[in-house]
Amino acid sequence: DAEITQSPRHKITETGRQVTLACHQTWNHNNMFWYRQDLGHGLRLIHYSYGVQDTNKGEVSDGYSVSRSNTEDLPLTLESAASSQTSVYFCASSPGLAVNNEQFFGPGTRLTVL
Amino acid sequence: AQTVTQSQPEMSVQEAETVTLSCTYDTSENNYYLFWYKQPPSRQMILVIRQEAYKQQNATENRFSVNFQKAAKSFSLKISDSQLGDTAMYFCALSSSGYALNFGKGTSLLVTP
Repeated sequence: DAEITQSPRHKITETGRQVTLACHQTWNHNNMFWYRQDLGHGLRLIHYSYGVQDTNKGEVSDGYSVSRSNTEDLPLTLESAASSQTSVYFCASSPGLAVNNEQFFGPGTRLTVL
Repeated sequence: AQTVTQSQPEMSVQEAETVTLSCTYDTSENNYYLFWYKQPPSRQMILVIRQEAYKQQNATENRFSVNFQKAAKSFSLKISDSQLGDTAMYFCALSSSGYALNFGKGTSLLVTP
């Protein structure tokens, strides 16, 4: 069955370290998204991509970067981790450029920055 | 800018009863979709129901239905015959020209025996 996976599921790191969170989907979806979930804020968009070599900044993109070299993967990199980036991170994908497309979510990665 | 507001941080309902979760939104787009997502303790995000702005008929999925009031920019979720498995965080979300989802802050729903 097609799916979307995230790794690692849990990560503890130190302030200032570079961290990369992986997202892999096997639906062959064009659109991929990264959100962060914090208590009291719901889910907020970090970065998104509508296809290979396409990346766009979301609402809370400072301190994060992404790259899209193939359809299946959209890794999220924290260049220099900060305590404010402690959060649960969700990757999602959807098939095409239509407003009604359901987004399919990965299981999430809990990141703790000490 | 688009905004989604959920004014009820927490709610509780007894098993078999009906509960309504509120959501209001703001957008200048004409073509948009509204969604309700459920997040149980497992943390997985699950689509519950969606509504296209151009459709006047309210969407229904089994025990879940919406009351979509376009002029008032209101999109409430009604859960009938509540079950213990409905205990979860519920998020209202809006998608328009950007295709990414704008989420509300969520409503934590507890279903009690």
